[in-house]
Amino acid sequence: SQTIHQWPATLVQPVGSPLSLECTVEGTSNPNLYWYRQAAGRGLQLLFYSVGIGQISSEVPQNLSASRPQDRQFILSSKKLLLSDSGFYLCAWSATGGTDTQYFGPGTRLTVL
Amino acid sequence: KQEVTQIPAALSVPEGENLVLNCSFTDSAIYNLQWFRQDPGKGLTSLLLIQSSQREQTSGRLNASLDKSSGRSTLYIAASQPGDSATYLCAVGLSNDMRFGAGTRLTVKP
Repeated sequence: SQTIHQWPATLVQPVGSPLSLECTVEGTSNPNLYWYRQAAGRGLQLLFYSVGIGQISSEVPQNLSASRPQDRQFILSSKKLLLSDSGFYLCAWSATGGTDTQYFGPGTRLTVL
Repeated sequence: KQEVTQIPAALSVPEGENLVLNCSFTDSAIYNLQWFRQDPGKGLTSLLLIQSSQREQTSGRLNASLDKSSGRSTLYIAASQPGDSATYLCAVGLSNDMRFGAGTRLTVKP
């Protein structure tokens, strides 16, 4: 069976510090991978998606970047965090694009102070 | 641009009631529509996936319908239980990603 992991579960970082959130998927190959951010009381905002190693698409201009160094690894990064980067970050995978369901990880709660 | 709206934003009902959650979307060119459940501080769990060619899907006490032409979907929960308390999100599937509504926060009181 497939599983998706995210870490850390929670993170408190000062403004201006770097960020690295990691997501890994097990039990499948060549998945589509996604990073979402969920602000309090709002829906999920798609940040990045990847259809293969080294292939990253960005949905919104922002202070964040994403990388996919391995088939089942997806990393969300920032060189300098802003207060507005606070939120709940969710990683997801799907077998294909929009025709398939997405499976979500447990999320990372990021607080920037 | 595809926009997804969920009404109501919050709903509180007594245990045992049947209830309906609503989702609307602005562009009918979707691959599918999916309903998720999210418990506080947790990730999303898929409940039902309706492909664009389908009209409804059922799983246990849950029934989801899709009217693509009118841009609407409903999630029907029968005989609600306190364990159903959570936020319910709908999302429309596009070519490479999904667009989510803001969710309906459901509270079922014992």
